[in-house]
Amino acid sequence: NAGVTQTPKFRILKIGQSMTLQCTQDMNHNYMYWYRQDPGMGLKLIYYSVGAGITDKGEVPNGYNVSRSTTEDFPLRLELAAPSQTSVYFCASSYRRRDVNYGYTFGSGTRLTVV
Amino acid sequence: AQTVTQSQPEMSVQEAETVTLSCTYDTSESDYYLFWYKQPPSRQMILVIRQEAYKQQNATENRFSVNFQKAAKSFSLKISDSQLGDAAMYFCAYKRGTGGGADGLTFGKGTHLIIQP
Repeated sequence: NAGVTQTPKFRILKIGQSMTLQCTQDMNHNYMYWYRQDPGMGLKLIYYSVGAGITDKGEVPNGYNVSRSTTEDFPLRLELAAPSQTSVYFCASSYRRRDVNYGYTFGSGTRLTVV
Repeated sequence: AQTVTQSQPEMSVQEAETVTLSCTYDTSESDYYLFWYKQPPSRQMILVIRQEAYKQQNATENRFSVNFQKAAKSFSLKISDSQLGDAAMYFCAYKRGTGGGADGLTFGKGTHLIIQP
């Protein structure tokens, strides 16, 4: 049982480049999330999805886009990379039914550096 | 908006001793969940313990227990018989219980726990 898988684990981008961070889960969780963690800080929510075809903004969505075409996959797109997007990115998933959240599973993170 | 505050950037404890990590939060909700997550150098986020706000009884998981004071909006983590493997960043997190809007967790800035052998 792989849980939540993120790729790549590390990436260096030049300013203005674009890339997609991949996230897939095999637990049939309906909710998925993207967080970023800046040095010395807790995680902040970028985007989340409550099911295939449905996404919504979190606390820090600017500069990012997401899609959720399947239950399993929730890619995060950076269109024009900026140094301020240097961070560690975490994908997470959870199963929620009737307002009860049965717990979160996190991926191992992607360390992104924009130079 | 909800906020989570961890006032101790770093804590140090001798192996086998007990340590308490502090967390306070601010919310106008009555239904919510609180969590403690451990993040070792591997970066993996590991759930330590979870507390539902409607439960008066404090959650316990082996050597880990919480002191949940709902009126004071306080949620501290006690680690008993500290072990070298407990060394990590510890994050307190909040999640609203019901309703629409963002379903994600709100995290504090974390406490770096050092275990002295």
